[in-house]
Amino acid sequence: AQSVTQPDIHITVSEGASLELRCNYSYGATPYLFWYVQSPGQGLQLLLKYFSGDTLVQGIKGFEAEFKRSQSSFNLRKPSVHWSDAAEYFCAVTGGGNKLTFGTGTQLKVEL
Amino acid sequence: NAGVTQTPKFRVLKTGQSMTLLCAQDMNHEYMYWYRQDPGMGLRLIHYSVGEGTTAKGEVPDGYNVSRLKKQNFLLGLESAAPSQTSVYFCASRRPEGEKLFFGSGTQLSVL
Repeated sequence: AQSVTQPDIHITVSEGASLELRCNYSYGATPYLFWYVQSPGQGLQLLLKYFSGDTLVQGIKGFEAEFKRSQSSFNLRKPSVHWSDAAEYFCAVTGGGNKLTFGTGTQLKVEL
Repeated sequence: NAGVTQTPKFRVLKTGQSMTLLCAQDMNHEYMYWYRQDPGMGLRLIHYSVGEGTTAKGEVPDGYNVSRLKKQNFLLGLESAAPSQTSVYFCASRRPEGEKLFFGSGTQLSVL
């Protein structure tokens, strides 16, 4: 069965600092991987996705993620965090089938 | 273009009461999903549908029923609400083949 682990429940960074959110997945074949962001009281919005090809993918709002098959990881990064990035971030995996499995989320706090 | 619309946005029930949550999408998507979100547990799939007239169980289907009589609508029913069903419920839809999910803004349900 597919699964996703986000080991960091909460992360605090200063505005302007770099950010890396960790995501490890379990899936038997090549996965489809996603990062979603959720602002308070809102549904989830897609930041970026990886299907195949270039292992470094660019997303919206200046985010990027790198797929590392050897480490079963798909970490999210941003070079310089803005206060408006404070939100909850979810990594998700699917094998191209019907079900998308989400991690438990990482709550990001940005200190001004 | 409304996207995915959930009604109601808030609801308080007493234990044993029943209710139906409505999800409507205007994007002609084949796949629709119901998730529940609880603190520290991320999003967990309740039921999903891959087309009109079809439904399937997700990770946590017990206590819920669903129907997809029309392609644009996906209903989630609670026949006899329990306090353990207090949660935020999200509906989502997508085209097939691993495309991104479009989320509604959620329904906050409290069962007393």
